[in-house]
Amino acid sequence: QLQLQESGPGLVKPSETLSLTCTVSGGSISSSTYYWGWIRQPPGKGLEWIGNIYYDGTTYHNPSLKSRVTISVDTSKNQFSLNLSSVTAADTAVFYCARLGKWLQPSYFDYWGQGTLVTVSS
Amino acid sequence: DIVMTQSPDSLAVSLGERATINCKSSQSLFFSSINKNYLAWYQQKPGQPPKLLIYWASTRESGVPDRFSGSGSGTDFTLTISSLQAEDVAVYYCQQYYSNFPTTFGPGTKVEIK
Repeated sequence: QLQLQESGPGLVKPSETLSLTCTVSGGSISSSTYYWGWIRQPPGKGLEWIGNIYYDGTTYHNPSLKSRVTISVDTSKNQFSLNLSSVTAADTAVFYCARLGKWLQPSYFDYWGQGTLVTVSS
Repeated sequence: DIVMTQSPDSLAVSLGERATINCKSSQSLFFSSINKNYLAWYQQKPGQPPKLLIYWASTRESGVPDRFSGSGSGTDFTLTISSLQAEDVAVYYCQQYYSNFPTTFGPGTKVEIK
């Protein structure tokens, strides 16, 4: 059974960089079949797509986050990562990593991590 | 970007009754070359990640009870729960994943027991 698990600091200071890692188990991130993505959800609010990555490092990201987002992949560790720079309180959210539906980008998300809450505060 | 709206914001339905959630997109999600609508539905319970229910507007994800069904085409879509169960209390989101646009989600519809 495929599992995804987010990890990283739960508290980040304003203007700093938020860094999260998603570890995939029960399947290979190097599969050419799937893309992998990040989604966030501010407390009590809806879902916002952040970006996706392919095993070869090809990335797509939400233009609304402009150049603040960097997504990378480490196939040797079966992980992919998110960096969000220059954070403000508005970036406080639960961050989810997820797998996209087969062969497709963009796509629906068929497997999700449990999510990790990141609070931006001094 | 494609804007997704949902109605109602919330609804209360008696156990065993039908619940209907509507989702509308600002442009058509139908791709004629493959005859599919790029629309998915999710269920999110408190403290849990979203769970995929429906994709391609009407294809039920494996393991999802058949009381959940999706319909619609173009810009107007519906998620129907044919006989509401207590475990269906959740927020439901639609998502468009139409090619060459950032994927976007609707604002959510909260389903409660009347």
